[in-house]
Amino acid sequence: QLQLQESGSGLVKPSQTLSLICTVSGGSMSTGGYSWTWIRQPPGKGLEWIGYISQRGSTYYNPSLKSRVTISADRSKNQFSLNLRFVTAADTAVYYCSLQSTVTTLTLWGRGTLVTVSS
Amino acid sequence: QSALTQPASVSGSPGQSITISCTGTNSDVGGYTYVSWYQQHPGKAPKLMTYEVSNRPSGVSNRFSGSKSGNTASLTISGLQTEDEADYYCSSYTSSSTQVFGTGTMVTVL
Repeated sequence: QLQLQESGSGLVKPSQTLSLICTVSGGSMSTGGYSWTWIRQPPGKGLEWIGYISQRGSTYYNPSLKSRVTISADRSKNQFSLNLRFVTAADTAVYYCSLQSTVTTLTLWGRGTLVTVSS
Repeated sequence: QSALTQPASVSGSPGQSITISCTGTNSDVGGYTYVSWYQQHPGKAPKLMTYEVSNRPSGVSNRFSGSKSGNTASLTISGLQTEDEADYYCSSYTSSSTQVFGTGTMVTVL
């Protein structure tokens, strides 16, 4: 069955760009009509929806992050990615990638990766 | 977009039933049938428990049930068990074609 795994830098300096990749294994991203989502969770706090890329390649972002975030997909590599620019300490969080099977239904999650913003 | 409102904590004894509320607006919970609930144990990724208000994914116990009335969605856990102790988050589609999570509820089994 499908599995998701996040990867990327665990430490990012303030004002730089946070970049993460989610690798999909056990099947193809191009089948199933799924959308691919990023969510984050600051230490000790709740979940925050970042955004997603649809099967057709359309992107939708959290309005509070929209000016700094880009989600893209490389279906030939079975990967989708997150770029968050101009990070601050407030962006320190565990970042999760997820498969969205229907509207807002996050059926499958990666294990998450902690990204710390610090100089 | 503002987070949906959930109680910070709910508790119950083994075997009892508890209900967690999730309050939004006409622009999210009240306007769509796209409400889902997630369970998160400490240090783990969230797990989908119900979707589209009241549907359960394969493998999720029928002790978990979702419902909605107006701008408030609810998750009921019946026959409470020790392994149900976790954080629970609701989520809804919004009129901006985005998704929003609730503030989260810590469930304690006494």
